[in-house]
Amino acid sequence: AQSVTQLDSQVPVFEEAPVELRCNYSSSVSVYLFWYVQYPNQGLQLLLKYLSGSTLVKGINGFEAEFNKSQTSFHLRKPSVHISDTAEYFCAVRPMIYNQGGKLIFGQGTELSVKP
Amino acid sequence: GAGVSQSPSNKVTEKGKDVELRCDPISGHTALYWYRQRLGQGLEFLIYFQGNSAPDKSGLPSDRFSAERTGESVSTLTIQRTQQEDSAVYLCASSFQGSSYEQYFGPGTRLTVT
Repeated sequence: AQSVTQLDSQVPVFEEAPVELRCNYSSSVSVYLFWYVQYPNQGLQLLLKYLSGSTLVKGINGFEAEFNKSQTSFHLRKPSVHISDTAEYFCAVRPMIYNQGGKLIFGQGTELSVKP
Repeated sequence: GAGVSQSPSNKVTEKGKDVELRCDPISGHTALYWYRQRLGQGLEFLIYFQGNSAPDKSGLPSDRFSAERTGESVSTLTIQRTQQEDSAVYLCASSFQGSSYEQYFGPGTRLTVT
């Protein structure tokens, strides 16, 4: 079985400050890793994903995340946030099980609130 | 092209009634997923369709929940005898075949059971 834990339910931060949203996962098999963003009253949008290769992945809107296999973590970072980054962020994993489809297992979400 | 669409966007129903939620995936996407998002929680997987294969129903919470998909197009999620705990946003996603392909999400249907 797989599970995803987002360690912070809410993260308030001032504009132009750096931010890190933490994500840890548990899985008995290898996984693909994802971060999704949900802006107010909108659907989920993919920020970035790790499938293989370099453990540092870059996504849209200046976000990046680093896969750490030994710590089973996939933390999301941005060096300088904007008011427009205010949203809910979801970490998700997809187990690499042959012929089991691509269902995602999500964390509970982190609400990022950027203040002027 | 058009994204994933869902209807209705909002649904208020009385406890005990049946409801039907609809999802139109992106054209050409063979895989379709349903998820549920309860207030303040992450998304829970409900069911997955891939082409003509048998659907993965492992996430359906009870036998009151069922879903159908016509070929590689529209899907409907049906909840019978709705309960208050069914209140949530129901999200549909679609993707190309293959587990590494990105899932594109619809805007969701907000279901409120009174």
